[in-house]
Amino acid sequence: EAGVAQSPRYKIIEKRQSVAFWCNPISGHATLYWYQQILGQGPKLLIQFQNNGVVDDSQLPKDRFSAERLKGVDSTLKIQPAKLEDSAVYLCASSRNSGGSTGELFFGEGSRLTVL
Amino acid sequence: GESVGLHLPTLSVQEGDNSIINCAYSNSASDYFIWYKQESGKGPQFIIDIRSNMDKRQGQRVTVLLNKTVKHLSLQIAATQPGDSAVYFCADVNTGNQFYFGTGTSLTVIP
Repeated sequence: EAGVAQSPRYKIIEKRQSVAFWCNPISGHATLYWYQQILGQGPKLLIQFQNNGVVDDSQLPKDRFSAERLKGVDSTLKIQPAKLEDSAVYLCASSRNSGGSTGELFFGEGSRLTVL
Repeated sequence: GESVGLHLPTLSVQEGDNSIINCAYSNSASDYFIWYKQESGKGPQFIIDIRSNMDKRQGQRVTVLLNKTVKHLSLQIAATQPGDSAVYFCADVNTGNQFYFGTGTSLTVIP
């Protein structure tokens, strides 16, 4: 089974520029998550999708971050405009579960963003 | 939000010794916990999970212990190997399937 795919792996931009990250979850996984991992910290949940609907985006800085999962499969996370403190690894994860059950979370390798 | 924390940020052990990594959680309603391993430049990888109706679960060389009374979780790695060097996170999962991660413990295995 193919894993969670993310691109790009690395991105360097200047502050106030925009950036977009793409994620393709494991086939058949209903739930998709975006996490932000700042160096030396644990992953912090940004947004959770169930199919193409948003379940939780309470920690997403909506003034600059947006995410979508239009067809319930792939997802994109966009930052516009970027700030220095957005430098982090952006992890996408998916799980098979739906309807309130818990289950294992599968992560991609992440997209490392550096904002100069 | 959830609060999941680890007691020690770094741990060094001799190869062949056992490792114990601890984690505290604050939400007494949490009913599912997972340990993840993250190697440099990679995403976290599932190690073992445990539900709140259990106090111990064993895998291959790993054991997770759950003490609901003091809201404490531990990961024990037997006969630690150099390949076990990584950052280990515990995650607390709520009923909405939101996974909350602690800061992590960096394990270094000394050959």
